[in-house]
Amino acid sequence: QQQVKQSPQSLIVQKGGISIINCAYENTAFDYFPWYQQFPGKGPALLIAIRPDVSEKKEGRFTISFNKSAKQFSLHIMDSQPGDSATYFCAASRDTDKLIFGTGTRLQVFP
Amino acid sequence: DTEVTQTPKHLVMGMTNKKSLKCEQHMGHRAMYWYKQKAKKPPELMFVYSYEKLSINESVPSRFSPECPNSSLLNLHLHALQPEDSALYLCASSQERTLPLHFGNGTRLTVT
Repeated sequence: QQQVKQSPQSLIVQKGGISIINCAYENTAFDYFPWYQQFPGKGPALLIAIRPDVSEKKEGRFTISFNKSAKQFSLHIMDSQPGDSATYFCAASRDTDKLIFGTGTRLQVFP
Repeated sequence: DTEVTQTPKHLVMGMTNKKSLKCEQHMGHRAMYWYKQKAKKPPELMFVYSYEKLSINESVPSRFSPECPNSSLLNLHLHALQPEDSALYLCASSQERTLPLHFGNGTRLTVT
């Protein structure tokens, strides 16, 4: 019940394309769903986060889509750039409980 | 640059050594965390301090000993580590155990 399943494991996208990463959870008590971006040799950095009272949140080229009934959420990166090449982790949490991370997606954007 | 500072960036230690990892934040956060991250894996929670008191220990072996001297500082004391303890050790902080978490860039630890 505490798992967050993330797919795909790796993703190759051409510059200008759309990158889509999906996550699914089981615990309906989760109420906070962040996405973290991690570059090699760096710590994870919060990219964007959503609460279940909205179905979509957009920040620049990054959008989270949230489907409460399906218990799924996804990250869309529009106009993907080589600088977006990184590992992306979805996560979920309930209030102050610990953050449960997905397994990560390695994104490579080729020019 | 991250607002959570970790030192050293890299550390190589033998199995009989004693070393410490340090973490500092000046965002006024009252919760601080240690995570361990192996290559190509997500971060794994080790310890949580809230208001300078240990609130979560995720069954971490006693060869890892955390310390929170004050609300801005967090240490992780290492003793008699094993090669499998080699990993990236990440510190994070948050406002009173509410999210989001702010991570440092980690200490890359190699145990020989």
